[in-house]
Amino acid sequence: DAGVIQSPRHEVTEMGQEVTLRCKPISGHNSLFWYRQTMMRGLELLIYFNNNVPIDDSGMPEDRFSAKMPNASFSTLKIQPSEPRDSAVYFCASSFLGGPTDTQYFGPGTRLTVL
Amino acid sequence: EDKVVQSPLSLVVHEGDTVTLNCSYEVTNFRSLLWYKQEKKAPTFLFMLTSSGIEKKSGRLSSILDKKELFSILNITATQTGDSAIYLCAGGYNAGNMLTFGGGTRLMVKP
Repeated sequence: DAGVIQSPRHEVTEMGQEVTLRCKPISGHNSLFWYRQTMMRGLELLIYFNNNVPIDDSGMPEDRFSAKMPNASFSTLKIQPSEPRDSAVYFCASSFLGGPTDTQYFGPGTRLTVL
Repeated sequence: EDKVVQSPLSLVVHEGDTVTLNCSYEVTNFRSLLWYKQEKKAPTFLFMLTSSGIEKKSGRLSSILDKKELFSILNITATQTGDSAIYLCAGGYNAGNMLTFGGGTRLMVKP
């Protein structure tokens, strides 16, 4: 299995631009998570999907952030408009809800820099 | 509010030393405690603990959970430079595989 796939791996953009991050979870997993990691705040859960349905988006910092999961194999996290304080590493993780383990498997992350 | 606190924040040791990393948690509807290792990329899974007092081992790493004291430790014996990383613990809760992460312990192992 290829694991969780994220793209792009690095993104540099200017303040005010729209940014779209992409994630392909592990095949067969039915839960998907978007996290943001910074030095100051550590790893923060932004939003969680189960069976393509957003279950908990209380971690989404503000309306500029939105996430979708149109099917079981694809999710996007969009920031519009982007701001310098959005600079962070964004991780996508997936797991199988209903299995014997709570383990989440992380993708390689997207390092976002907003100038 | 749920929280997971790790200590120490950072640790510098020499190869061959033994280290103990600490994790305390207050997680509503707690189900499990997970440990991850993060080098320069994504966190990778180490252990999941659900029962008190049962040690899990993987090579030089071991971990145990105390559900009464809401505490877990991760031990690494005979440390190697390749053990240098950030070690994250997370509390799993509800039935949704959700995790609350601690801030991590940054371990540096010097030759």
